[in-house]
Amino acid sequence: KQEVTQIPAALSVPEGENLVLNCSFTDSAIYNLQWFRQDPGKGLTSLLLIQSSQREQTSGRLNASLDKSSGRSTLYIAASQPGDSATYLCAVKYGNKLVFGAGTILRVKS
Amino acid sequence: NAGVTQTPKFRILKIGQSMTLQCTQDMNHNYMYWYRQDPGMGLKLIYYSVGAGITDKGEVPNGYNVSRSTTEDFPLRLELAAPSQTSVYFCASSYPQAGKLFFGSGTQLSVL
Repeated sequence: KQEVTQIPAALSVPEGENLVLNCSFTDSAIYNLQWFRQDPGKGLTSLLLIQSSQREQTSGRLNASLDKSSGRSTLYIAASQPGDSATYLCAVKYGNKLVFGAGTILRVKS
Repeated sequence: NAGVTQTPKFRILKIGQSMTLQCTQDMNHNYMYWYRQDPGMGLKLIYYSVGAGITDKGEVPNGYNVSRSTTEDFPLRLELAAPSQTSVYFCASSYPQAGKLFFGSGTQLSVL
């Protein structure tokens, strides 16, 4: 069964800290992997998309890496800000289907 | 620039009632999806479509039906609503299969 797991489930950090969110997947035959942000009561916003042939993607203070052989991806957030507080979800695409992790709830304290 | 639009935003149903959740996108995307999100859980795929006239089941299709008569619209039908269908429903779309997913703002449904 294709499963996606995110660790930790919740994280609280002081403003300015660099942090890493983890995503692992059981089936390495992926099409791509996306990281999303979800604010309370809102839909999901795509942050970074990594194709299966790529190793990483960067956007501003965000960097996502992909290691298919070990079934892992990490989302690195540099110099965290209170506005980064949200739930971050990892999703792995297999064929036509996207399998989501349960998310990491991030709180950045000012 | 509307993107993916879902209606209604909130709805309360009684057990056994039926309703249709509407989803429309203005980006000419071929791929459209319906997900449900339960508290503390990831999103689970209900149905998806790779183009007008083509639909397929996802992980949790029981109790739901879909149709895709146009590229823009992908309605989700609930027949005989049950308390287990209380959830937040999200519609999403993408153009190429390998492309970024765009989500609607969701429909919060309660079945009492």
